[in-house]
Amino acid sequence: DTGVSQDPRHKITKRGQNVTFRCDPISEHNRLYWYRQTLGQGPEFLTYFQNEAQLEKSRLLSDRFSAERPKGSFSTLEIQRTEQGDSAMYLCASSRSRGTEQETQYFGPGTRLLVL
Amino acid sequence: GENVEQHPSTLSVQEGDSAVIKCTYSDSASNYFPWYKQELGKRPQLIIDIRSNVGEKKDQRIAVTLNKTAKHFSLHITETQPEDSAVYFCAASRSNYQLIWGAGTKLIIKP
Repeated sequence: DTGVSQDPRHKITKRGQNVTFRCDPISEHNRLYWYRQTLGQGPEFLTYFQNEAQLEKSRLLSDRFSAERPKGSFSTLEIQRTEQGDSAMYLCASSRSRGTEQETQYFGPGTRLLVL
Repeated sequence: GENVEQHPSTLSVQEGDSAVIKCTYSDSASNYFPWYKQELGKRPQLIIDIRSNVGEKKDQRIAVTLNKTAKHFSLHITETQPEDSAVYFCAASRSNYQLIWGAGTKLIIKP
């Protein structure tokens, strides 16, 4: 399967614990995006990378959230001291940028987080 | 900042009829407008997109129209089939910026 993959697919944790999710983009894609989606809503942008550089971060993203893409390939999203309000589907997407044009974002299957 | 409004939130049509979903955007610099389909529990998948240099694009039963002056774009699905039932999201962005998403339209195809 050459699509975007995410791991784990499901995560249940207790409030206050830290969690880390992984995303593997399509191999030739230089852009990688993280979104959060709650039931009945559209994806909410969190952050994105071009290669290893984190170019944009949502103002809604609290300091408890951090993302990395150290070698410009896979990315991790960490949530520290989880809260019940963090329960959501976390989606990763990747695209191949050409200059300044937006290109199709391909989504992974998501990681569903439940904070008890 | 950019805002995208999507209507209706739910649309129920008879199988074989057409469905139209409309979106408006606020940032006149937006130049890329994708539409995604998301089935229950699955990932969003691109079904069609349009750039600001064209007014209409078609792909079999699906078409998108763009009115830059009025800042709105629409998704048209003809000859609807049961497998078209899903949530559809519109989005808008300008070069090198994040996609701004609509709230989604739940499309129900009645047999």
